Amino acid sequence: QSALTQPPSASGSPGQSVTISCTGTSSDIGKYIYVSWYQQHPGKAPKLIIYEVSQRPSGVPDRFSGSKSGNTASLTVSGLQAEDEADYYCSSYAGSNSLGVFGGGTKLTVL
Amino acid sequence: EVQLVQSGAEVKKPGESLEISCRASGYSFRNYWIGWVRQMPGRALEWMGIIYPESSDITYNPSFEGQVSISADKFSANAYLHWSSLKASDTALYYCVRPIVIQGLLINIDLWGQGTLITVSS
Repeated sequence: QSALTQPPSASGSPGQSVTISCTGTSSDIGKYIYVSWYQQHPGKAPKLIIYEVSQRPSGVPDRFSGSKSGNTASLTVSGLQAEDEADYYCSSYAGSNSLGVFGGGTKLTVL
Repeated sequence: EVQLVQSGAEVKKPGESLEISCRASGYSFRNYWIGWVRQMPGRALEWMGIIYPESSDITYNPSFEGQVSISADKFSANAYLHWSSLKASDTALYYCVRPIVIQGLLINIDLWGQGTLITVSS
């Protein structure tokens, strides 16, 4: 199972919006709603911020939103804040013969 | 508090064996799947495998089957990742995780340990 494809970096100024893409195939993102996004600050463990394409766990600000079109999922961070600077990883369910697949990660810089 | 606490960093030589651990607390350990994820520098996160402590059912990522073994002790609420013969390519950060599995579908990870850095070098 190949990794999902994410851009290595993204950036935006405080208050702006930035969108990070995650491209898979018709066997993972294109087929299932089980797309998740994780935020990882330096030296910390990843944290779930989006599940089932667009759902936010309790406590995650509504500045974070998710969507999917075809084989590509997207994470949008609106109203960028300095604390949003982190690495972001997508993942997707990929069928009963797989534990799932992750993206390579995108480093978000707040300028 | 619901948490996963992993054992500390290790520096080992190629060919040595190693077992790292993950202690769960704050929830019913035996009734949730628990697993391991590898993070190599500059590479995507990778599932290694998961185990259901109550039954010891295990599912490995085929890429890791035969390379590591996963176990769990439902009485002490610990999960383990074991290598019998380490390679330099095993150098990575390893996370203990609690995946959410619903009707057989592994849909996301809602709890992560702090990670254990393994360095294998001669």
